[in-house]
Amino acid sequence: KNEVEQSPQNLTAQEGEFITINCSYSVGISALHWLQQHPGGGIVSLFMLSSGKKKHGRLIATINIQEKHSSLHITASHPRDSAVYICAVTQGAQKLVFGQGTRLTINP
Amino acid sequence: EPEVTQTPSHQVTQMGQEVILRCVPISNHLYFYWYRQILGQKVEFLVSFYNNEISEKSEIFDDQFSVERPDGSNFTLKIRSTKLEDSAMYFCASSGISGANVLTFGAGSRLTVL
Repeated sequence: KNEVEQSPQNLTAQEGEFITINCSYSVGISALHWLQQHPGGGIVSLFMLSSGKKKHGRLIATINIQEKHSSLHITASHPRDSAVYICAVTQGAQKLVFGQGTRLTINP
Repeated sequence: EPEVTQTPSHQVTQMGQEVILRCVPISNHLYFYWYRQILGQKVEFLVSFYNNEISEKSEIFDDQFSVERPDGSNFTLKIRSTKLEDSAMYFCASSGISGANVLTFGAGSRLTVL
């Protein structure tokens, strides 16, 4: 069983739709990260959170420590949001354990 | 905005050859990492480096791999004798205080072993 599971694996939506990507983890963590990977391969950190909720522009990330679950929401989605979104958790002091990623496609 | 720089962006090598991938982390960061992503698979942790020594490494990081910070700015990953299965995208990352801080990733170095 993977330590970090994401759902869905693939998501296609129309421009403007509200998007939710889910992440569940089975290990103790010190932090959870949401990352974005574009087709060229580069990885950008979107959020790091250890409790509660964070918002940046149209992106919102929440975490429920008791349920070992996090969600990434995108409001008013746009084609430029198309990318792979990756959930990763920090185990111990330093090591990041990654989920498989969710491939998001937003059609105009 | 400060960034992590990786070179080369793409390297093609023959099996058995040595490869060095280079990274320039953000200047005031203290923790440095290498991750890899085999095509179509998830990103995997290789090694973390702090205070001029390896602080943690994965099972993947065997004797064929080594890391070095030779001059206070570069952070290198060496693969001594490349295998076909070493073909992957290798990402360098750095963070300011600890791994429980936001990581900044480089754009990646794609290694193709023939």
